[in-house]
Amino acid sequence: KAGVTQTPRYLIKTRGQQVTLSCSPISGHRSVSWYQQTPGQGLQFLFEYFSETQRNKGNFPGRFSGRQFSNSRSEMNVSTLELGDSALYLCASSLAFRLAGAYNEQFFGPGTRLTVL
Amino acid sequence: DAKTTQPPSMDCAEGRAANLPCNHSTISGNEYVYWYRQIHSQGPQYIIHGLKNNETNEMASLIITEDRKSSTLILPHATLRDTAVYYCIVRVGSNYGQNFVFGPGTRLSVLP
Repeated sequence: KAGVTQTPRYLIKTRGQQVTLSCSPISGHRSVSWYQQTPGQGLQFLFEYFSETQRNKGNFPGRFSGRQFSNSRSEMNVSTLELGDSALYLCASSLAFRLAGAYNEQFFGPGTRLTVL
Repeated sequence: DAKTTQPPSMDCAEGRAANLPCNHSTISGNEYVYWYRQIHSQGPQYIIHGLKNNETNEMASLIITEDRKSSTLILPHATLRDTAVYYCIVRVGSNYGQNFVFGPGTRLSVLP
C-alpha cells in the first residue's frame, strides 16, 4: 500500500507570494492533518480535515488555509508569504476522525520544504 | 502546550538497549500514549502506542506505569539507524476534535 505522498517536495517562493501544497493520503484514509515544523517552534498542528470539512484548527493566522476533496486528497494554502513561513510542512493521514479514547494512528508523509526568500 | 516531558537528549551505545522516558502526569483515563520518531528532516514515523498494558512490537517495547503518569520506550538493541528525535505524544482536545501536540522530544544518539 502506498504511503502518504506530498507534492512538491521542495519549493522556493518570495515574500508576498502565495503557495499551495498537496497531500494524498493512504488509500482508504479519510482524515488528513497538516503540521508545520520549524527549528524554533518544532512540530505544530495546523488543521485537520475529515469528510471535506475542517474539524480542528491550530493557532495559526488566517493566511493558512486548507481544503479536502471528495477523494480525501488535501491541499493547504499560505497567502502573503512571510520569511517566517519557511518550514517543513508535513501531512499525516489516518483512517478516521479521532474521537476521545479512540486509537487512531497517524501516518506522516515526507513533507514539503518551503523556503521563503 | 505539550502534555508530555522528555529529556532533551540521550546517548546509547550501539547494540545496547535504549530506554527513553516520558512523563505524562496529566493524562486522562482513556488517552493513549503514542511514540513516534523523526530521522533528520523526514516525516515522523510511528513506533508504538499503549493505553494501560505494556506493549511490544517488532520495533520497540513500551512500558507504562500503573498510574499511567509515565512511560518508557525501549529499543532493545539500538543501531546507528535508530539515531533520531523521539516524540512521546498524547492527544489534546475535546470529543469534537483531537490532535497530536509534539513537544521537543528526545534526541537519541546511538554511538558506535
